[in-house]
Amino acid sequence: DGGITQSPKYLFRKEGQNVTLSCEQNLNHDAMYWYRQDPGQGLRLIYYSQIVNDFQKGDIAEGYSVSREKKESFPLTVTSAQKNPTAFYLCASSILQGYYGYTFGSGTRLTVV
Amino acid sequence: AQTVTQSQPEMSVQEAETVTLSCTYDTSESDYYLFWYKQPPSRQMILVIRQEAYKQQNATENRFSVNFQKAAKSFSLKISDSQLGDAAMYFCAYRSATIGGTSYGKLTFGQGTILTVHP
Repeated sequence: DGGITQSPKYLFRKEGQNVTLSCEQNLNHDAMYWYRQDPGQGLRLIYYSQIVNDFQKGDIAEGYSVSREKKESFPLTVTSAQKNPTAFYLCASSILQGYYGYTFGSGTRLTVV
Repeated sequence: AQTVTQSQPEMSVQEAETVTLSCTYDTSESDYYLFWYKQPPSRQMILVIRQEAYKQQNATENRFSVNFQKAAKSFSLKISDSQLGDAAMYFCAYRSATIGGTSYGKLTFGQGTILTVHP
């Protein structure tokens, strides 16, 4: 079955460390997205990519980095420069034509300890 | 840039009753798509219903329907015969259909409305 897989489900990080969240899709979608969700807030766009080897900053890109070397994969690195990284992170993919919306992964809960 | 506003942080409904969740948006575009997503306690995002802006007919999916008022930029979700499984956070979202525009392809979400269903 086609879908989008995020791993790990839970991640703990010490202050000052970089961590990478994985996102893989086998839907043949061109576009992939990373969102951050905090309690009481909606989803905020971190980065997105509409084609391999190209990506764009979203609304809250500071302290994050991404790569898109393969169509299927869009990993997110939370760097030590991110001041408040504890949050729930959602990855999504889509075809570019808008009617079909996004397919979401099940999310990664990142906690800084 | 487009914005999406959900003015009701929390709503509650009795089982089997009807509830309406509000959503307004701001855009200068004429062609776009609107969505309602549900996020239950599992936090998995689930597409509930979608609407194409150029279609005047309101979308319906079983117990879920929308009231799309394009001129007013309003897109409310009505849940009929509410069930315990409808309890979740609901997000309204906007997606541009303008090919090549800076917002093309991106979903912009509202803040969400937490829906509680009482037995």
